[in-house]
Amino acid sequence: EAQVTQNPRYLITVTGKKLTVTCSQNMNHEYMSWYRQDPGLGLRQIYYSMNVEVTDKGDVPEGYKVSRKEKRNFPLILESPSPNQTSLYFCASKKGSPGNTIYFGEGSWLTVV
Amino acid sequence: QKEVEQNSGPLSVPEGAIASLNCTYSDRGSQSFFWYRQYSGKSPELIMSIYSNGDKEDGRFTAQLNKASQYVSLLIRDSQPSDSATYLCAVKRDTGGFKTIFGAGTRLFVKA
Repeated sequence: EAQVTQNPRYLITVTGKKLTVTCSQNMNHEYMSWYRQDPGLGLRQIYYSMNVEVTDKGDVPEGYKVSRKEKRNFPLILESPSPNQTSLYFCASKKGSPGNTIYFGEGSWLTVV
Repeated sequence: QKEVEQNSGPLSVPEGAIASLNCTYSDRGSQSFFWYRQYSGKSPELIMSIYSNGDKEDGRFTAQLNKASQYVSLLIRDSQPSDSATYLCAVKRDTGGFKTIFGAGTRLFVKA
C-alpha cells in the first residue's frame, strides 16, 4: 500500500528537549516536505526536499532542521523545541515533474510545554 | 493580503443542496489549482485539480477556474453529511514544482 508514515503520532515534550519526527514514504517519490498546520493559518511549509541531499527552506523554517540522506526518509528535527512549535505536523511526498498530487502522512500532534 | 484566501466558514447547507466553496489567490502567475478535503483530525486528501479556465466535473464535484479574476471555486452537488469537512484550496505557480500554497480552509457542515 502506497503511504507516507510519520512517527510519533502524538508527543508531549518539554521546552529545550531535542526531538525528531520521522517520515518515510514507499512510493519512490523525489519530493518530500514538512508542513505545520495551525488554526486560522492553514498549512505552512517548513522545509522541502527535491531529492537526496537536496533540501531547502519553506515559509516557516526557524527552529527546525531536516536531512535527506535516503530517498524514502525525511526526518524533521527540533533541536530546542519551544511552546510556539506546538502544532499539527504533516509530512508529505510527491512524484517529480509533472506530478502534482501531494500525499500526506497521518499527522503528528506535538505539544511543547 | 494572504496568498490564498478562503472564507473560514462554517458553511452550513442542508443535505441534498449544492455547497459552493470559494477561493481567491494573489499570484497571477499561478498555473495549477487544487482542492483538498480534510476530515477533522485527519490528513488532507486531493479531490480535484484544475489547470485551465472553465469548469471541470468529477462526479458530484465541479471545480471552476477564472484566472482573470484569480478565483477558484468548488461546487458539491447533492451534498451528503459525509461531505462535512474542511476544504483546502491550494495553488501552485509552476507545473511539477513543490511550492504549493494552501489556504486556511473552509469548514463545511451538511445537515441531515
